[in-house]
Amino acid sequence: NAGVMQNPRHLVRRRGQEARLRCSPMKGHSHVYWYRQLPEEGLKFMVYLQKENIIDESGMPKERFSAEFPKEGPSILRIQQVVRGDSAAYFCASSWTGGNQPQHFGDGTRLSIL
Amino acid sequence: EDKVVQSPLSLVVHEGDTVTLNCSYEVTNFRSLLWYKQEKKAPTFLFMLTSSGIEKKSGRLSSILDKKELFSILNITATQTGDSAVYLCAVEASGYGNKLVFGAGTILRVKS
Repeated sequence: NAGVMQNPRHLVRRRGQEARLRCSPMKGHSHVYWYRQLPEEGLKFMVYLQKENIIDESGMPKERFSAEFPKEGPSILRIQQVVRGDSAAYFCASSWTGGNQPQHFGDGTRLSIL
Repeated sequence: EDKVVQSPLSLVVHEGDTVTLNCSYEVTNFRSLLWYKQEKKAPTFLFMLTSSGIEKKSGRLSSILDKKELFSILNITATQTGDSAVYLCAVEASGYGNKLVFGAGTILRVKS
């Protein structure tokens, strides 16, 4: 499967725990984007990364959220001390270059907070 | 603030009908407009539009962009039940990042 791979597909956490969401971009893509989709709302941009660099994190909440895209391995979106309001679908997308290339999306991770 | 508005919010049609979905936008430094189809999982890429007046076509789907009036339409002819989905419009603004600003989507249901 050469598409964008996200795991896990579903993640359940209790309030106060940490959530780690993983994203492997399409083969040959070096640009990764994370979006969040809250119930009954549209997709909202969170962060844009290239290998080892955060390019734009203007959509990330200031606290508890962080993202990385290391030289080797998948991109990770990390949410510390989760709260009920973090329950959402988190989608990762990748593109071949930044700009003027379509972003292709993974199937998302559905995060539920108990 | 960048904004993308889609209409209608939802639509129910019968198989064989033609539908037109609308997307208007207000974005600084517009670069491109994209249409996606979302069923239960990943938004699936349909079209990317960068130039006004040039229709993009794929089977029964087509789309066109008007950069002067700041809108795009997505047409689906001879609809089938498999076209039932949420159709998302997104705009990419040039600049330091390449984030997409999404509209809320149009929910299309095609009845047999």
